[in-house]
Amino acid sequence: DAKTTQPTSMDCAEGRAANLPCNHSTISGNEYVYWYRQIHSQGPQYIIHGLKNNETNEMASLIITEDRKSSTLILPHATLRDTAVYYCIVRVIGGGGADGLTFGKGTHLIIQP
Amino acid sequence: NAGVTQTPKFQVLKTGQSMTLQCAQDMNHNSMYWYRQDPGMGLRLIYYSASEGTTDKGEVPNGYNVSRLNKREFSLRLESAAPSQTSVYFCASSPRGTTEAFFGQGTRLTVV
Repeated sequence: DAKTTQPTSMDCAEGRAANLPCNHSTISGNEYVYWYRQIHSQGPQYIIHGLKNNETNEMASLIITEDRKSSTLILPHATLRDTAVYYCIVRVIGGGGADGLTFGKGTHLIIQP
Repeated sequence: NAGVTQTPKFQVLKTGQSMTLQCAQDMNHNSMYWYRQDPGMGLRLIYYSASEGTTDKGEVPNGYNVSRLNKREFSLRLESAAPSQTSVYFCASSPRGTTEAFFGQGTRLTVV
């Protein structure tokens, strides 16, 4: 799986958009970009994933650059409950997809009131 | 819909004791996983099961055994607990062919 690089921590004001960057310069053509988050003391939660097109769901938007070497997770109107560690993961989907996810240290996003 | 349920939520063991962490999912997922998370670290994969009847080692399998009892249940056993196994353990499941995993709330294990 391709290695990802994320900032260790970020702050964002409540109500503003939180933009979390991720670099994955060695990504392969068949690798997807996944985002998970982990709120303190809870299990990780899936947010969104994409291959090359931008994606949006009820939680967030995912913007992937044209060369696919980086991506940005956008939380459009951050709330205090969005304070968490956010993990960017690059992963092939194929076969059973069952050999797990590789979690790095992620970005600790702190939403300020 | 309970999702992924782990028991117990908390456990304290003495060095050398054994125990089994239980995990069950009600989403009819084929794949199940066990991870551990140490303070300030990301999650590390211990074992996974692609389907009922199959299990494979992950990144940190030493000191652990697993059983995929049926499609719903995937247990993790510590035969002789060591202080280095003090951690938070997470079970997860995912549908076949995807990496959208659903996680339990974790088991906080302390080995003294």
